Amino acid sequence: GQSLEQPSEVTAVEGAIVQINCTYQTSGFYGLSWYQQHDGGAPTFLSYNGLDGLEETGRFSSFLSRSDSYGYLLLQELQMKDSASYFCAVNNAGNMLTFGGGTRLMVKP
Amino acid sequence: ETGVTQTPRHLVMGMTNKKSLKCEQHLGHNAMYWYKQSAKKPLELMFVYSLEERVENNSVPSRFSPECPNSSHLFLHLHTLQPEDSALYLCASSQDRRTGPDTEAFFGQGTRLTVV
Repeated sequence: GQSLEQPSEVTAVEGAIVQINCTYQTSGFYGLSWYQQHDGGAPTFLSYNGLDGLEETGRFSSFLSRSDSYGYLLLQELQMKDSASYFCAVNNAGNMLTFGGGTRLMVKP
Repeated sequence: ETGVTQTPRHLVMGMTNKKSLKCEQHLGHNAMYWYKQSAKKPLELMFVYSLEERVENNSVPSRFSPECPNSSHLFLHLHTLQPEDSALYLCASSQDRRTGPDTEAFFGQGTRLTVV
């Protein structure tokens, strides 16, 4: 089977740095994606890691270690608008995209 | 606006009704997906159509029936649903991995379904 584990909730203050971890068990692994979803909105793509290492996109970075079946999303210089749910997702065979349970991030002033 | 449009946005149906959800994408993608999002549960992949092939998900009850007439349109036909099927149903599209580099999935705004 396939499973992804990530914390259910994280709280941080504006301007801080937050790391959201994701561990996975899957077959036919191609890469790890991260999505953001605001309340009432659709999930939107943030980043993708197909190879080990760090991918940086502005204030957001994502890391993957295939040997450890582990990845994380790093959010820097947190802003109030970053309050949302963040999902890691495994891209695997058959174009399947399997999601974790999501981490609800609350950014406080 | 993500380029993926779902209708209706809200739907209330009785357990004996038959209804259909519609999804349309204008992104030139060749893979489309149905996901179910319930409170306190992960996004659950229900069906994938890629290059006009359907990837079965054996855990989905037969009261949900997908249809993909072409690469731009996807339907989810619903019949004799149960109250526990009430959820947000999300459609997504992407490029099939076999036809190009991995790209992200684009999601529609979803249909909020309530079964009474």
